[in-house]
Amino acid sequence: DIQMTQSPSSLSASVGDRVTITCRASQGISNYLAWYQQKPGKVPKLLIYAASTLQSGVPSRFSGSGSGTDFTLTISSLQPEDVATYYCQKGLSFGPGTKVDIK
Amino acid sequence: EVQLVESGGGLIQPGGSLRLSCAASGFTVSSNYMSWVRQAPGKGLEWVSVIYSGGSTYYADSVKGRFTISRDNSKNTLYLQMNSLRAEDTAVYYCARLLSGSYFGWYFDLWGRGTLVTVSS
Repeated sequence: DIQMTQSPSSLSASVGDRVTITCRASQGISNYLAWYQQKPGKVPKLLIYAASTLQSGVPSRFSGSGSGTDFTLTISSLQPEDVATYYCQKGLSFGPGTKVDIK
Repeated sequence: EVQLVESGGGLIQPGGSLRLSCAASGFTVSSNYMSWVRQAPGKGLEWVSVIYSGGSTYYADSVKGRFTISRDNSKNTLYLQMNSLRAEDTAVYYCARLLSGSYFGWYFDLWGRGTLVTVSS
């Protein structure tokens, strides 16, 4: 089975900061990676699929990149409403999540 | 409107059974891959089960032999029959639509609001 890891497990940044979250697969997965945002007490929401394709309605400050084993989710300018836990996913496996807070 | 609405959660004693339902609207359950994903309190997302459009079913090792996924095409509804429940099955259970393709892989594009299952004596 392919294992997904994420780093960091949590981070705190200021409004307006550029934030980068990394997801690593235990073996190459081409571009078969998705990212989800889960705000506290809310349902997970799809942000990005195919590593870099933005889901309809998702703000353009979110972007994804990578291929093979290493992937990144970038928030170009962190906003208060971005406080959430972010998960990567490949197939039926989710990463452990990265919690993002405002400093 | 395209949506999923779960029901059937609640408090159940260890060893008991529960059936979750997920009513879909705006699309056809049987034409899609449908899945259950759970989230234990304060924990991450864990895939539980999937049923393919062709009817094949698959389960996480943690629930294999205890849980059964099914669908009722006439009601456009997905189910999860949970037997021999354990304390570690306590979680919010989400119903989700799983899209798949050779270009983009697999991803869950539509989620229900979830239903809480608490296994406790």
